[in-house]
Amino acid sequence: QTVVTQEPSVSVSPGGTVTLTCGLSSGSVSTDYYPSWFQQTPGQAPRRLIYNTYTRSSGVPDRFAGSILGNRAALFITGAQADDECDYYCVLYMGNGIWVFGGGTRVTVL
Amino acid sequence: QVQLVESGGGVVQPGRSLRLSCTASGFPFSRYGMHWVRQAPGKGLEWVAVMWHDGSQQYYGDSVRGRFTVYRDISKNTLYLQMNSLRGDDTAVYYCVRATELHSADFWGQGTLVTVSS
Repeated sequence: QTVVTQEPSVSVSPGGTVTLTCGLSSGSVSTDYYPSWFQQTPGQAPRRLIYNTYTRSSGVPDRFAGSILGNRAALFITGAQADDECDYYCVLYMGNGIWVFGGGTRVTVL
Repeated sequence: QVQLVESGGGVVQPGRSLRLSCTASGFPFSRYGMHWVRQAPGKGLEWVAVMWHDGSQQYYGDSVRGRFTVYRDISKNTLYLQMNSLRGDDTAVYYCVRATELHSADFWGQGTLVTVSS
């Protein structure tokens, strides 16, 4: 069974930079998995930030960027703001339309 | 504008069935694949099922395969999730999500809560 791993929590100072990663229990994440990143605030549906590894969704500020970092997908948040404090999920494409979500990362801005 | 509205959630006893609906508007429903994603209280997102854009294929997550069925009625612009043999760990908010190119998804509904409890 494929497991997608994310840091359970990270913290960042206001104005700082933080990196969230998305890995596989076995193997490496590559662009072939078409990683997407979603942001979720409490009580709300998720909002897409990044798709196809690098592409920002419409309206997403350029403080958010996606990439491959080593054998993992990565989401970079630069110039962190208070309203960036919420949960972030990566999802990897496994073929045939099948997805697997990571467990999510809670970002704290303090 | 694109809208996805889920309905059909509620409280159901273990072992019973429930059908969720997702009514779409603002886009050509028949040309898009659609996913169901769920989120148990206080937990992360879990992918449940997908229907391909042409309706030809459906795939399911391991935890629901054989119990859940996804289908659609194009004439009603509605996606369904038939859930049978429900268990306590099926308790979650269920979202329908529009699939996009490059194996991603953009629009999410507001979700509907399913509670499986005796």
